[in-house]
Amino acid sequence: DAKTTQPNSMESNEEEPVHLPCNHSTISGTDYIHWYRQLPSQGPEYVIHGLTSNVNNRMASLAIAEDRKSSTLILHRATLRDAAVYYCIQGSYNDYKLSFGAGTTVTVRA
Amino acid sequence: GAGVSQSPSNKVTEKGKDVELRCDPISGHTALYWYRQSLGQGLEFLIYFQGNSAPDKSGLPSDRFSAERTGGSVSTLTIQRTQQEDSAVYLCASSRRSGPSSYEQYFGPGTRLTVT
Repeated sequence: DAKTTQPNSMESNEEEPVHLPCNHSTISGTDYIHWYRQLPSQGPEYVIHGLTSNVNNRMASLAIAEDRKSSTLILHRATLRDAAVYYCIQGSYNDYKLSFGAGTTVTVRA
Repeated sequence: GAGVSQSPSNKVTEKGKDVELRCDPISGHTALYWYRQSLGQGLEFLIYFQGNSAPDKSGLPSDRFSAERTGGSVSTLTIQRTQQEDSAVYLCASSRRSGPSSYEQYFGPGTRLTVT
């Protein structure tokens, strides 16, 4: 069962930032937070992951709350190509199985 | 470089037939995973291979499902005596190794299986 809670859907305008929240209130000290996204008719794509500190990469930023019970994926400038289902996944250090929930469906308006 | 490839991309089969789905992982990736995604459902873990270790088959839904990985590279997922509830997209992923970095799983495009 998915251990995280995400909104079902979010809308954004092109070239505006998108903030995707995720609650993971049962997280333990060694659990990581991972984000994947799935574009229509494609397999999931890795976005970013983190443990305690905020993380940035070329795709997005991940802001993790100080108590680690929630996090936010930030897409700095949404493009039409960012329209996808975004999955927030909580996993322990040695847990290689990704447990996908329903995710957040992001719609980007031109 | 080349990503994870899967074949066939689409497969339609009659109920009761056997099917084989193939996955070619990224070269050098020692870990390989199979998942399936039914219509409107999330991804469901099926099986995991890591190097020469015994695979984790805990996600296989029934004994009609089996998988093997030859030479630490290509993997085949076999479904015997297919049922309509087996209809789904079967996704393969690979990663460099286990541990936190294994979460950077690279997925293939999937095989859409339809059982009629």
